[in-house]
Amino acid sequence: QVQLQESGPGLVKPSQTLSLTCTVSGGSILSGSYYWTWIRQPAGKGLEWIGRIDTSGSTEYNPSLMSRVTISVDTSKNQFSLNLNSVTAADTAVYYCAGGRWRVDYWGQGTLVTVST
Amino acid sequence: QSVLTQPPSVSGAPGQTVTISCTGSSSNIGTGYDVHWYQHLPGAAPKMLLYGNTNRPSGVPDRFSGSKSGTSASLAITGLQAEDEADYFCQSYDARLGGWVFGGGTKLTVL
Repeated sequence: QVQLQESGPGLVKPSQTLSLTCTVSGGSILSGSYYWTWIRQPAGKGLEWIGRIDTSGSTEYNPSLMSRVTISVDTSKNQFSLNLNSVTAADTAVYYCAGGRWRVDYWGQGTLVTVST
Repeated sequence: QSVLTQPPSVSGAPGQTVTISCTGSSSNIGTGYDVHWYQHLPGAAPKMLLYGNTNRPSGVPDRFSGSKSGTSASLAITGLQAEDEADYFCQSYDARLGGWVFGGGTKLTVL
């Protein structure tokens, strides 16, 4: 069974870059026609799609975040990553990595990232 | 504000039936994109309850059912049990956004 696990700092200073990695285990990131995706949920709010990457490296981003987001994939490590720059307190959220195409077939547990001095 | 609209909360007594609505627009549900439902317990990864509007993954009880019409979808839970107390959210695809969209989540309380 495919499992996803997020890793990265839980605290980021304002104006800096939030960097998270998702490790895929139990299967190859190259198998299936999945989009490997980042999603976030601020406290008390709904889920927000951040963006996705496919195994060819093609990306799509939420227009509201596009200017600050980069998603990349490292197929040799079975990982994909999120970089979000120029963060503010509004970027404080639980960040999930996920896999699927039209639906979310695989979820990570989620990791809380707080933006604060 | 979430792209898909759900009621913030619903409640029901054990054994009763509750429904949770999910309202979208012409760029997502109304275009024909499927709606999927998830159950989310605190601290855990969301769990898929229904996919493709009405289909249950293996292991999900038939107490959970779904429907879709126009720009809306619904999740029905019959024979409520205490273990059903959780957050539920819907998900679809939005052609204008070019990615997944989600409901704001509905907290189910079993009285």
